Amino acid sequence: DTGVSQNPRHKITKRGQNVTFRCDPISEHNRLYWYRQTLGQGPEFLTYFQNEAQLEKSRLLSDRFSAERPKGSFSTLEIQRTEQGDSAMYLCASSGSGVNTEAFFGQGTRLTVV
Amino acid sequence: AQTVTQSQPEMSVQEAETVTLSCTYDTSENNYYLFWYKQPPSRQMILVIRQEAYKQQNATENRFSVNFQKAAKSFSLKISDSQLGDTAMYFCAFRLEWGGSEKLVFGKGTKLTVNP
Repeated sequence: DTGVSQNPRHKITKRGQNVTFRCDPISEHNRLYWYRQTLGQGPEFLTYFQNEAQLEKSRLLSDRFSAERPKGSFSTLEIQRTEQGDSAMYLCASSGSGVNTEAFFGQGTRLTVV
Repeated sequence: AQTVTQSQPEMSVQEAETVTLSCTYDTSENNYYLFWYKQPPSRQMILVIRQEAYKQQNATENRFSVNFQKAAKSFSLKISDSQLGDTAMYFCAFRLEWGGSEKLVFGKGTKLTVNP
């Protein structure tokens, strides 16, 4: 296992288009997180999955955003009707069970909305 | 409010010297975990060091150590014998857990440059 994998690495889209990102976590990890990072800021929490259940969604996640994790494996994050303000790095992380587990991050998907 | 403050947007240090990055946080929880993450340019974020809040002993990982002051809600990172490969963004974070959910709350980061 080579770690958390995110695809695509870069995405340029026109305003109003829909985009979908994929995250493949470390195979034995049951916890999966999505974060958004804008320039000069730290990552901001978007959503959290435990297995296939989406247990938490941030208020940052508007109705245009949806995330899924079918079968508790890979996850997708879809943004509908993209806006310029959606331009950011979208980070995925995963961790195993237990109270003292480390979150491993992917390299992120950089979205540019033009 | 659950927040993390990193007051140093940028820092620089000469190779082989020691540098300390500051972090303060605010939480009403009593048991939590604190982390320092490193994000090299165009590369993924990796964990540098972690600290359990219930442990008084400061965590150490090779050249990296923390000064954890729970009462002051302070969690600084000391890098000894700085190396060129330490050049990166450094983020302080704490893990917030509630009702079966959890998330990391990050500061804005400190950009560290190690000069030869």
